Amino acid sequence: KQEVTQIPAALSVPEGENLVLNCSFTDSAIYNLQWFRQDPGKGLTSLLLIQSSQREQTSGRLNASLDKSSGRSTLYIAASQPGDSATYLCAVRGTYKYIFGTGTRLKVLA
Amino acid sequence: DGGITQSPKYLFRKEGQNVTLSCEQNLNHDAMYWYRQDPGQGLRLIYYSQIVNDFQKGDIAEGYSVSREKKESFPLTVTSAQKNPTAFYLCASTQGGANTEAFFGQGTRLTVV
Repeated sequence: KQEVTQIPAALSVPEGENLVLNCSFTDSAIYNLQWFRQDPGKGLTSLLLIQSSQREQTSGRLNASLDKSSGRSTLYIAASQPGDSATYLCAVRGTYKYIFGTGTRLKVLA
Repeated sequence: DGGITQSPKYLFRKEGQNVTLSCEQNLNHDAMYWYRQDPGQGLRLIYYSQIVNDFQKGDIAEGYSVSREKKESFPLTVTSAQKNPTAFYLCASTQGGANTEAFFGQGTRLTVV
């Protein structure tokens, strides 16, 4: 059974710092991995999608990597800003569904 | 603009009552999903549908029902059999196939009163 873990559960950093969020999964048989952002009381906003054959994807200050063989993905956020404060979720895609981690709650201090 | 619309944003249910959450998408996506989110837990799959007039149970389907009569609509009914329905409900859609991006609605918060 696929399990997805995100560490740390919460993170507080000063503005301008570069940071890394971690996502690990137990079954490497995935189709893709997607990173989402969730603001309090809101839905999920897609940040990056990495196909199983890819190693990384970049969008602006965000870079996500995927190492399928070791069951790990990282989300790198460069030059963090207070507006980046949110919960970040990773999800792996199996045959017909996504399995989610419990998220990392990020707070960027001004 | 294309997207997924969930309504209502807040919903209150009395004991023993059935309520229906609406999910509409104009992305022309084939697959649609319903997830439940509880504090401290990851999203859990309730039901999913890969095509019109077909749907399958997810991991926590007991006490819920769905229909998929139209491609753009996937309503979720929370029945009185669901003993702990208070949660945040999220609807998602994908183009279909395993390598496509998932998009989510803004959620419905259901509270039992």
